[in-house]
Amino acid sequence: AQSVTQLGSHVSVSEGALVLLRCNYSSSVPPYLFWYVQYPNQGLQLLLKYTTGATLVKGINGFEAEFKKSETSFHLTKPSAHMSDAAEYFCAVSDGDSGYALNFGKGTSLLVTP
Amino acid sequence: ETGVTQSPTHLIKTRGQQVTLRCSSQSGHNTVSWYQQALGQGPQFIFQYYREEENGRGNFPPRFSGLQFPNYSSELNVNALELDDSALYLCASSSTAASPRHEQFFGPGTRLTVL
Repeated sequence: AQSVTQLGSHVSVSEGALVLLRCNYSSSVPPYLFWYVQYPNQGLQLLLKYTTGATLVKGINGFEAEFKKSETSFHLTKPSAHMSDAAEYFCAVSDGDSGYALNFGKGTSLLVTP
Repeated sequence: ETGVTQSPTHLIKTRGQQVTLRCSSQSGHNTVSWYQQALGQGPQFIFQYYREEENGRGNFPPRFSGLQFPNYSSELNVNALELDDSALYLCASSSTAASPRHEQFFGPGTRLTVL
């Protein structure tokens, strides 16, 4: 089965600093990869997705991610953090063996300090 | 366009009881997936329904069951509740006609507490 590993359960950045959240995947076939954000007491919101084609994917709220097959990575970045970016971020890979179910990482909690 | 809705928002049950959670899929979507998110963890796939039949299942026991109705809404039923069933239950809908099929849209979740 396909899986993802998120490195760092907590990341703290200053407002205006670069945000880098790490995700590595394990897959025997070309993966479909996603980043979701979850604000407190809410469901999951899709930030961006990689399916095929361009390896640099742009999402909402200024986030982007680059699919690197050689490194089996799909790291999430944002050039300048805002206070409103503080949330839980989940990387996920699609498992075609289970009806396209999503396999999620354990999540990274992003803290943005003034 | 109406998004994914779930009811109830919160629920408190005791061990051994049974619970039913409900989900209405996003307009135009024909597939519903259910996930369990324990506190501090990522969501885990329970099962998926398509054409009113189970279309994939994660590592959950049979006391977790579901239904999908002709209007594509869905129910998650959990029998013989255990303390470890306390979690946020997320419903996600998707469309087999969409590209990519893998893109799922999530509801706000139902917070289940088992005492």
